Amino acid sequence: DQQVKQNSPSLSVQEGRISILNCDYTNSMFDYFLWYKKYPAEGPTFLISISSIKDKNEDGRFTVFLNKSAKHLSLHIVPSQPGDSAVYFCAALRQGAQKLVFGQGTRLTINP
Amino acid sequence: EAGVAQSPRYKIIEKRQSVAFWCNPISGHATLYWYQQILGQGPKLLIQFQNNGVVDDSQLPKDRFSAERLKGVDSTLKIQPAKLEDSAVYLCASSLVGGSSYNEQFFGPGTRLTVL
Repeated sequence: DQQVKQNSPSLSVQEGRISILNCDYTNSMFDYFLWYKKYPAEGPTFLISISSIKDKNEDGRFTVFLNKSAKHLSLHIVPSQPGDSAVYFCAALRQGAQKLVFGQGTRLTINP
Repeated sequence: EAGVAQSPRYKIIEKRQSVAFWCNPISGHATLYWYQQILGQGPKLLIQFQNNGVVDDSQLPKDRFSAERLKGVDSTLKIQPAKLEDSAVYLCASSLVGGSSYNEQFFGPGTRLTVL
């Protein structure tokens, strides 16, 4: 029962261009969504989040968009930099809970 | 501020052996989580502690996995006996006490377990 899905295992983008990572969820009880970034041999680190009462949240080069009707969210990185090369996980939470439900991850490679 | 510490970083064992992992959370963090991340998948929560009590262990395979957090600080996760499918990275995370709003979880570097 994969409640959070990232259907693209990998993505390759040229430096300076936009990276768009996608995530779909099935559980309508989720009301808070997060993106985590993971480098090899390190634990995931929090990147950006969005509450279900919003449809957009921006932090510097990172913007997360939420489409509740489609149960879809996306992470935009503009402009992409080589240091952005990592695995990105989408995660979701139910209201009042602390249990993160993760997607499978997307490996982003930024090419110079 | 020191982060979440885990040891060992790597462990190789044979199936049917036992293994234990240790985690020391960020000072002051009452909530501690153990996740299992199998290659190609996202982390899956195994168990959540608040202080020394279990909040959620619904996805912990209790026939072979056990975890404790006796003094409400550091924690150990044990597998006995290990199976091939237990090969994974075991991540520990901690956060301030839970509540109605989300408290950011900080992850340790993980322990990579290989079962042969």
